[in-house]
Amino acid sequence: TQLLEQSPQFLSIQEGENLTVYCNSSSVFSSLQWYRQEPGEGPVLLVTVVTGGEVKKLKRLTFQFGDARKDSSLHITAAQPGDTGLYLCAGGRNTDKLIFGTGTRLQVFP
Amino acid sequence: DAGVTQSPTHLIKTRGQQVTLRCSPKSGHDTVSWYQQALGQGPQFIFQYYEEEERQRGNFPDRFSGHQFPNYSSELNVNALLLGDSALYLCASSSLRDTQYFGPGTRLTVL
Repeated sequence: TQLLEQSPQFLSIQEGENLTVYCNSSSVFSSLQWYRQEPGEGPVLLVTVVTGGEVKKLKRLTFQFGDARKDSSLHITAAQPGDTGLYLCAGGRNTDKLIFGTGTRLQVFP
Repeated sequence: DAGVTQSPTHLIKTRGQQVTLRCSPKSGHDTVSWYQQALGQGPQFIFQYYEEEERQRGNFPDRFSGHQFPNYSSELNVNALLLGDSALYLCASSSLRDTQYFGPGTRLTVL
């Protein structure tokens, strides 16, 4: 069974602070996605990483895929209240079932 | 271009009843996957449909069944509902071997 562990589970920070969310597994994934989910809505795709060591940037968000393709991180610079939400990592093999992480709930206070 | 749509938005059922949830994929997508998301947890894969066939299945009992229609839309059926089936049910669509895009979900409450 492939499991993805995310840490921390909960994060409450002030606007302007930086943060990093981690996603770890003992299994290798061919790709890893990061999603953000608002309450009562479906997850919205932020990024897909496929190459070991790959780094992708999306404005203030930086995503990294581990060299061994077993782990990933999401770093947010100067967090804003609009970043509040549930962040989910998900690993998969092509379009086979996605294995989701346990989620990190982020609250950014103004 | 409409994204993934799901109906109904919310649903309340009682134990033992049966429920059908519906999903229309994003235009151009031919693969539909269903996930169950319990409160406070990440989504769990139920099954995936492609070319009207169940292509892969997660660890869910036979009470969970599905169907895909020629227009690629899909239904999820759950029989003999249990309290533990209360969750947000998410549909995701994709083209084979491509990224999955999620709908807004159907919130099912079993009383």
